[in-house]
Amino acid sequence: QVQLVQSGTEVKKPGSSVKVSCKASGDTFSNYPMSWVRQAPGHGLEWMGGILPISDASNYARKFQDRVTITADESTSTVYMELSNLRSDDTAVYYCARDIYDASGNFYFDRWGQGTLVTVSS
Amino acid sequence: EIVLTQSPATLSLSPGERATLSCRASQSVGYSYLAWYQQKPGQAPRVLIFGASNRATGIPDRFSGSGSGTDFTLTISRLEPEDFAVYYCQHYDQASGVTFGPGTTVDIK
Repeated sequence: QVQLVQSGTEVKKPGSSVKVSCKASGDTFSNYPMSWVRQAPGHGLEWMGGILPISDASNYARKFQDRVTITADESTSTVYMELSNLRSDDTAVYYCARDIYDASGNFYFDRWGQGTLVTVSS
Repeated sequence: EIVLTQSPATLSLSPGERATLSCRASQSVGYSYLAWYQQKPGQAPRVLIFGASNRATGIPDRFSGSGSGTDFTLTISRLEPEDFAVYYCQHYDQASGVTFGPGTTVDIK
């Protein structure tokens, strides 16, 4: 049973960058794509992008394309999300999630990290 | 890019009642790519339904999903106290990635 454990709370200044980690345990890491989803306070879920660790192939939501970098370290079964040029409206809980694209062609997120609160404030 | 709309925004019901939540896509989508999640305060979302109608592992059979094309429905046959939460639909598209609906809050009447 895979578990996703994320790094802790961050407080950042506008214009700076943040890097959040997500460590997987209990299952094969490299073969599953991993995504990052954020949720601003009182708002819904927003997909930022994802990566397939075994190939390092990544894709990003158009909205975040210029500011987000998602990477993976197979040796430590860890995925990272770095968001640059932070603004106050980037204040949110950031989740990692494991993508499932099964043999029937269904797509969904079956496991989620606990979330990391990033606060952007001067 | 496909836009998902959920209705109603809030559903106020009593335990034991039936809940019917709607998710409408701006254009026809493949049912394989439609999933539903439940989120409780302070918790990460958890998948309930994938492929529009398949219950995820461990999900009680009072949860069911249906629909095709542009209209999808999540039904909770008899609400239990632990079912009061926010529900999101989600769609995946190879070109543009993942989109979520804005959510439906099911609260206690």
